[in-house]
Amino acid sequence: AQKITQTQPGMFVQEKEAVTLDCTYDTSDPSYGLFWYKQPSSGEMIFLIYQGSYDQQNATEGRYSLNFQKARKSANLVISASQLGDSAMYFCAMREGRGSNYQLIWGAGTKLIIKP
Amino acid sequence: DGGITQSPKYLFRKEGQNVTLSCEQNLNHDAMYWYRQDPGQGLRLIYYSQIVNDFQKGDIAEGYSVSREKKESFPLTVTSAQKNPTAFYLCASKVGPHANTEAFFGQGTRLTVV
Repeated sequence: AQKITQTQPGMFVQEKEAVTLDCTYDTSDPSYGLFWYKQPSSGEMIFLIYQGSYDQQNATEGRYSLNFQKARKSANLVISASQLGDSAMYFCAMREGRGSNYQLIWGAGTKLIIKP
Repeated sequence: DGGITQSPKYLFRKEGQNVTLSCEQNLNHDAMYWYRQDPGQGLRLIYYSQIVNDFQKGDIAEGYSVSREKKESFPLTVTSAQKNPTAFYLCASKVGPHANTEAFFGQGTRLTVV
């Protein structure tokens, strides 16, 4: 079973509109964390935002916010006022457990294209 | 500037050859990782290392080998035993293996078998 599911293979959004990228996860571990990364065409992964399972508030970083709905096991990324430079692949990843041997489990990604 | 440098950016391998992908970081990070990325899929972990002279297999280690002789360097060798090596390879590092810190990535190496 998929542990991280990103249901939107691709999205087109008009510049300056807000966009929501979906991510659902599956874990029975009470301690976990969720990461969002952006991958532009140049290839490197750029960290955007992190949400821990015990965090009381939704994470925000500038134009990025995470809509964390724990009961629904969803961690959607919201980008406000989209810009042309936001066009990229976006990946959701989950860290399970504690300690030093955890791994990140990655979703398949969503390709976001911002239209001028 | 601190960062992670992967080289080369593009690499071509003949059938049966071993090739080595370089990953160097000057961030003073303890933990380093190698991932493989195929089209339409998320990243898959090949190997990781938490300290010098120590490394562990990830989910898809078969056909790959690594070394960690220096803190700054974590080269990946794609051996002839890897039957389908054509992919995009990403190296990453973290301050430590602690859960809440993000990983920093290099720009990747695109390996193609010719």
